[in-house]
Amino acid sequence: EAGVAQSPRYKIIEKRQSVAFWCNPISGHATLYWYQQILGQGPKLLIQFQNNGVVDDSQLPKDRFSAERLKGVDSTLKIQPAKLEDSAVYLCASSFTGTSSDEQFFGPGTRLTVL
Amino acid sequence: AQSVTQLGSHVSVSEGALVLLRCNYSSSVPPYLFWYVQYPNQGLQLLLKYTTGATLVKGINGFEAEFKKSETSFHLTKPSAHMSDAAEYFCAVSHYTNAGKSTFGDGTTLTVKP
Repeated sequence: EAGVAQSPRYKIIEKRQSVAFWCNPISGHATLYWYQQILGQGPKLLIQFQNNGVVDDSQLPKDRFSAERLKGVDSTLKIQPAKLEDSAVYLCASSFTGTSSDEQFFGPGTRLTVL
Repeated sequence: AQSVTQLGSHVSVSEGALVLLRCNYSSSVPPYLFWYVQYPNQGLQLLLKYTTGATLVKGINGFEAEFKKSETSFHLTKPSAHMSDAAEYFCAVSHYTNAGKSTFGDGTTLTVKP
């Protein structure tokens, strides 16, 4: 079974530029998560989708971050404009049902550097 | 509210020695607890989880963890460390009322010396 795919793997941009990350979850997984992992910290949830609806986006900085999950499959996370403090690894994860006891499957992440 | 504290951001052991990574949680309702491992430039991978039932949970690669409600702990152990165990380990907590949302600790980096 194919795992969670993410692209690009690495991205370097200047502050105030925009950037987009793409995620393709495991086939059949209803729930998709985007996390931000700053160096030395654990993953912090940005947004959670159940199919193509948003379950939780309370930690998403909505003035600059946006995310969508078209047709309940692939997802895109965008940052516009980027700030220095957005430098982090952005992880996408998916789970089959999204219940709290469910295992989350993680992609390799996109490492963003903002200069 | 829920939270996780991982004691010790770095742990170093010799090959063949016991591995002990500490995790304490806070949860207002019965928790679900997870340990994930992250190898360099890879995503997180589940080692083991506790939901209900037996409090001693066995996972992959010889790891196990014990849920101790009285101590609010879920420490990860392995009797004998291998060089391949060198990685970062994350403890996470969730519960049945929060719709699949997990809170992660800040991780412990395990170094294994030859």
